[in-house]
Amino acid sequence: GDSVTQMEGPVTLSEEAFLTINCTYTATGYPSLFWYVQYPGEGLQLLLKATKADDKGSNKGFEATYRKETTSFHLEKGSVQVSDSAVYFCALYAGGTSYGKLTFGQGTILTVHP
Amino acid sequence: SAVISQKPSRDICQRGTSLTIQCQVDSQVTMMFWYRQQPGQSLTLIATANQGSEATYESGFVIDKFPISRPNLTFSTLTVSNMSPEDSSIYLCSVRRLLAGGASNTNEQFFGPGTRLTVL
Repeated sequence: GDSVTQMEGPVTLSEEAFLTINCTYTATGYPSLFWYVQYPGEGLQLLLKATKADDKGSNKGFEATYRKETTSFHLEKGSVQVSDSAVYFCALYAGGTSYGKLTFGQGTILTVHP
Repeated sequence: SAVISQKPSRDICQRGTSLTIQCQVDSQVTMMFWYRQQPGQSLTLIATANQGSEATYESGFVIDKFPISRPNLTFSTLTVSNMSPEDSSIYLCSVRRLLAGGASNTNEQFFGPGTRLTVL
């Protein structure tokens, strides 16, 4: 079945450091890929997405590129801020008979210190 | 985007009781989803609720434990029945919206703020 694997957390960085959160997936066909963010005490928000190979999703300084050859969708940001502290979830939508079901990774807790 | 509200936002319940969680969307949607996020864990889909038909449950979830109603295109409820401490989780409602003018895979899924349930 479909699955998403994220790098183990938690991740602790200093402000302005470079961030990478790894995400790899297993799916049949050509899934759409997403990064969601969950700030403390809030629900999930879509951060960025990519729907086909080599697409780059970007938002709020975050980027991720859909790499079909390595089945990866790593999240990056060049300079993190304290306000980026949150839980980040990688997810895929396989389409077809999955009828809208999202498959999530286990989440990565990011803490950014001043 | 879609604006999704959930009630209650949080609750503390006694073992053996039931809680009904409401999900309201600001526009009509075909598909609504209920997810569970156990403490420190990822999200797991409980069921898909389509208006006018019975909910479709994922493996490990059954209707007797998590009955769902979907009376119209903007509203759904999830009941957590005969609760035990293992049911302590955040329960999230979600909707899928096809982006206007997009292909079938250019959809987005939006989430409500969640209901934080603690069972004692």
